[in-house]
Amino acid sequence: QKEVEQDPGPLSVPEGAIVSLNCTYSNSAFQYFMWYRQYSRKGPELLMYTYSSGNKEDGRFTAQVDKSSKYISLFIRDSQPSDSATYLCAMSVAAGNKLTFGGGTRVLVKP
Amino acid sequence: GAVVSQHPSWVICKSGTSVKIECRSLDFQATTMFWYRQFPKQSLMLMATSNEGSKATYEQGVEKDKFLINHASLTLSTLTVTSAHPEDSSFYICSARSGGAFEQFFGPGTRLTVL
Repeated sequence: QKEVEQDPGPLSVPEGAIVSLNCTYSNSAFQYFMWYRQYSRKGPELLMYTYSSGNKEDGRFTAQVDKSSKYISLFIRDSQPSDSATYLCAMSVAAGNKLTFGGGTRVLVKP
Repeated sequence: GAVVSQHPSWVICKSGTSVKIECRSLDFQATTMFWYRQFPKQSLMLMATSNEGSKATYEQGVEKDKFLINHASLTLSTLTVTSAHPEDSSFYICSARSGGAFEQFFGPGTRLTVL
């Protein structure tokens, strides 16, 4: 079993819809939870990070962490075709430590 | 934001040859650099962590003698794939972090194809 599980998709939604992404994990020591966006043949870019449990909002993006369930989510409101990419969750035990990535979910937002 | 570059972006080589990939932090000092590989439609797998001036720490299962990592300066790390074979074909991505900063900044990746 992988430490971090993520549905590979693809997830296809119409423009303007809410995109819902999630990851589950098994290591209870994870404290930092991140979401990255990766366009094809490019390196990942950090979208959001959350420490411990709770919610965090940044513009159209909302990240949620439920440590009791070992479950994290990312919501993208008012999705745009430019949001089409692969979204990777990542986790670490401590700030600056090595990251453990999920497999990524490919998202396609159709105009 | 901080910028990390990689060179080359794409390389094709013959089986048995060695390939060097460079990772540079362009506008900050990278005290720590990470090297990942990513197979098609799969996630990033950490290969090794290197701190400037120190030997790299390799993840379990990664051959140190095959994937040579050098982090000789605060702006440059290199990954050399020695005696490359077709199974080494992959997308190699580096990331860099400054001091005790939280965020890693990723390079654009290098696609290696071994014939």
